[in-house]
Amino acid sequence: GAGVSQSPRYKVAKRGQDVALRCDPISGHVSLFWYQQALGQGPEFLTYFQNEAQLDKSGLPSDRFFAERPEGSVSTLKIQRTQQEDSAVYLCASSQATGELFFGEGSRLTVL
Amino acid sequence: RKEVEQDPGPFNVPEGATVAFNCTYSNSASQSFFWYRQDCRKEPKLLMSVYSSGNEDGRFTAQLNRASQYISLLIRDSKLSDSATYLCVVRGDSWGKFQFGAGTQVVVTP
Repeated sequence: GAGVSQSPRYKVAKRGQDVALRCDPISGHVSLFWYQQALGQGPEFLTYFQNEAQLDKSGLPSDRFFAERPEGSVSTLKIQRTQQEDSAVYLCASSQATGELFFGEGSRLTVL
Repeated sequence: RKEVEQDPGPFNVPEGATVAFNCTYSNSASQSFFWYRQDCRKEPKLLMSVYSSGNEDGRFTAQLNRASQYISLLIRDSKLSDSATYLCVVRGDSWGKFQFGAGTQVVVTP
């Protein structure tokens, strides 16, 4: 596609529910990144993939967070048993070798 | 201590004036440096990469000081449309780990 596409754009979850956020990167982009951005803060690194390989997941805040990219294209970020502190915008970005990150518009998660 | 630190501002700048601000990073092995711009409730977008010798893109000038571990951004002849949050981004020795600062808010006033 023309840009990085994320869905859903907005998600409201009750505490304890599981959520899944989808990212469709720019066609042909090998690298895919997930970031978490809380209000008034910069994006915090969660994880990144090169093709289907998850090369760094050091930013995932707990074992409730899980990301996958099984065919090296679309990626899903899953959050189990959501907590209020998980409320944030989840940004996905894709990149070629140049290093420029192209971001989607984000998925805004609100946990009640 | 965060790996990338920025003055949050806001920097209130009259239209046509010059504004400059810095970003410090803690990992001396960092390899690549960037400035991104983020408008309110929008996604970040690349403004410019920062090269060792410094570089300019129109009204924007970026500098890197490896010895003191900071990068800077200068905006000349500020426009109202320059109002945004400017995010400092540093890539360390892990290729894919781009670390963002919390951002510096710039408000250009008529």
